[in-house]
Amino acid sequence: SAVISQKPSRDICQRGTSLTIQCQVDSQVTMMFWYRQQPGQSLTLIATANQGSEATYESGFVIDKFPISRPNLTFSTLTVSNMSPEDSSIYLCSAATNEKLFFGSGTQLSVL
Amino acid sequence: GIQVEQSPPDLILQEGANSTLRCNFSDSVNNLQWFHQNPWGQLINLFYIPSGTKQNGRLSATTVATERYSLLYISSSQTTDSGVYFCAVSQGGTASKLTFGTGTRLQVTL
Repeated sequence: SAVISQKPSRDICQRGTSLTIQCQVDSQVTMMFWYRQQPGQSLTLIATANQGSEATYESGFVIDKFPISRPNLTFSTLTVSNMSPEDSSIYLCSAATNEKLFFGSGTQLSVL
Repeated sequence: GIQVEQSPPDLILQEGANSTLRCNFSDSVNNLQWFHQNPWGQLINLFYIPSGTKQNGRLSATTVATERYSLLYISSSQTTDSGVYFCAVSQGGTASKLTFGTGTRLQVTL
């Protein structure tokens, strides 16, 4: 398994600003993922972050809005840029070990 | 893309009761996992089960890949079982590009 630390746990931001979410894994992992969970909804994959290459974004998500860094095998960041109230969600970092997926505790973002 | 539907959407049980949660998916998959999201939002991986049956304490899961469904059984439910249960699938063998289902919200009462 993997233990994943994510911060901040929550934040309230003004529209037009940016927030960077950090994710630290307790072991080296090849694949890390960022998900979004809107209130009362299921999880949607934003992008896959592999070390040494650019992140791969899912349909509906773009790099300019959600830039991702993956500087090494234990760390990744997701930035939510130029925020609007529609970006209010829980953002979840995850990592895969073998075939199983593990999650951080999430970042609850509210945009005013 | 692949569609994942879970049923029932909501379930209320008394403590000690048993339940069965179902996950239907629209295409063949090579990776299927069950998660529990507790009331504080933390997601816990319960099972990796692309086929066959597994058991872990009061929980067990069965996936019939040829018929495109998976079942999660909860026996002797406890209040700590409350939360949302998600299944997630992908067509690759790894955990990449997992598509999450609609979820089953479970409330266990005293």
